[in-house]
Amino acid sequence: DAKTTQPNSMESNEEEPVHLPCNHSTISGTDYIHWYRQLPSQGPEYVIHGLTSNVNNRMASLAIAEDRKSSTLILHRATLRDAAVYYCILRVSNFGNEKLTFGTGTRLTIIP
Amino acid sequence: EAGVTQSPTHLIKTRGQQATLRCSPISGHTSVYWYQQALGLGLQFLLWYDEGEERNRGNFPPRFSGRQFPNYSSELNVNALELEDSALYLCASSLPGGSKGYTFGSGTRLTVV
Repeated sequence: DAKTTQPNSMESNEEEPVHLPCNHSTISGTDYIHWYRQLPSQGPEYVIHGLTSNVNNRMASLAIAEDRKSSTLILHRATLRDAAVYYCILRVSNFGNEKLTFGTGTRLTIIP
Repeated sequence: EAGVTQSPTHLIKTRGQQATLRCSPISGHTSVYWYQQALGLGLQFLLWYDEGEERNRGNFPPRFSGRQFPNYSSELNVNALELEDSALYLCASSLPGGSKGYTFGSGTRLTVV
C-alpha cells in the first residue's frame, strides 16, 4: 500500500492558521491525496482531496508540491472545533484495490 | 440528505458468540467499506462491497464476513467472537470508485466480554 508520513501531534493557537504536513514519496501518478479528520467518538469526516493542483473548499485548502511527494493541509483560522486527528491518505486508483489505507494521523490540539 | 447510518450503536456479546452489524449507505452510493478501529489505534480496512459483490478484503480472518444487499445496505458478521474483536466498527459509503471521497457513519461499538 502507498504510504504517508505525518507528525504524530501538533499544537496551534485558536484563530491562527494551521499547516499540517504530509509526506508521500511513493505516490503514483494517478493516486489521489485525501484528507480526513476524526473527532472524538465519531467516524472520520472527509475534509478535502486533490490530484495535482491546489484545492480549496469551505473547510480547508490543500497545497500539493510540484513533484507530488508531499502536501499540506491548511486550516485558515483554527477553532476549538478543529481539534481532531487528521489523516492524510493516498487513494490508489487501481480498480479492484479500492480502499483508503489510514495511517496513525496527526493529533491536532488547539490552544484557546 | 440522510448520512450513513449504522446499527446498533452499541453491542455487547460474549466470547464465542456471533455479532451482526448493519450499515445503510447514502442514497446513490453503491460502494460500502468496513473498517475496524480498536481503542487508541488507527482504522484497519476490513471489507469493500460494490454492486453486491465483495471487491477487496483486508488482512482479517475468515470469521469476519459480510454481504451487500440489492438496496446497497450492508451487513458485517463476526463469528466466534474473541476479546480482541472489541472495537469501533465503522462503515463508509461512496460513489463508484470512491474518487469523490467516503462518507463515514458514527460506528458500532462492539464489546466482547
